[in-house]
Amino acid sequence: QSALTQPASVSGSPGQSITISCTGTSSDVGGFNYVSWYQQHPGKAPKLMIYDVNNRPSGVSNRFSGSKSGNTASLTISGLQAEDEADYYCNSYTSSSTWVFGGGTKLTVL
Amino acid sequence: EVQLVESGGGLVQPGGSLRLSCAASGFTVNSNYMNWVRQAPGKGLEWVSVIYSGGSTYYVDSVKGRFTISRDNSKNTVYLQMNSLRVEDTAVYYCARVGSDHEAFDIWGQGTMVTVSS
Repeated sequence: QSALTQPASVSGSPGQSITISCTGTSSDVGGFNYVSWYQQHPGKAPKLMIYDVNNRPSGVSNRFSGSKSGNTASLTISGLQAEDEADYYCNSYTSSSTWVFGGGTKLTVL
Repeated sequence: EVQLVESGGGLVQPGGSLRLSCAASGFTVNSNYMNWVRQAPGKGLEWVSVIYSGGSTYYVDSVKGRFTISRDNSKNTVYLQMNSLRVEDTAVYYCARVGSDHEAFDIWGQGTMVTVSS
C-alpha cells in the first residue's frame, strides 16, 4: 500500500500548460483504468476533476485532461488560470480492492 | 441534493476511542461504495477504509484491527469506529462516495477533525 509518486510542486504562468505525473505499479495504476484526479484548495474538501483516467465530470472545465501510459498517469491543465492554483492528488484502485492516493502536487500559478 | 455530512470528531487521548458518522442524503449508502479518507495537518490525502455495496470491508494497513467501518441502512449513515487511537491518527476525516458508474470519489463531506493528544 505505498503511495503513488507525484512531484511535490509544479508551476506555470497564466495561459501556459502544465502536466503532473503520477507513478504507481502494475498492481494499481498500470493494472486498471481507474485513475482519478482531485483538486484541493486550502481548507476545502477535495473535488473530483478526472475519473477513469480521462473522463471529466459534468461542470469541470475542458482545460483539464488525463492520460495514462503503463504505470504512469498524467494530468494536464491547459490555459492556466489563477484559480487553478491548488493541491492536486492522483488516486488509483488497486488489486487489493482498496484505493491509494499520490503524495500530492502543489500547483503555483506565477 | 446529494450530500454527505460527517460528525463525531473531537479531542481524545492516546489509546481512546471515537466513532465518526457520515449521514448521506440524495442517495442510498448501500447502493454505493462508501469510504473514509483522512488528511493529517499539512499532509496529503490517505485512503483509510471502504464498505462495498455487498458489505465487504477493507482497510489501509495502519488501521487494520483498530478501525471498523459499518453502515446503518435505515439511517442511511456510514460509521467509522476508531479504537486504540494513536497520535498519528490525528487528521481531518472525510467521508467519500464512489459513484455508481465509475471508480472515483465523486461526493465528499466537509470533513471532521480528530485530534489524538494527551
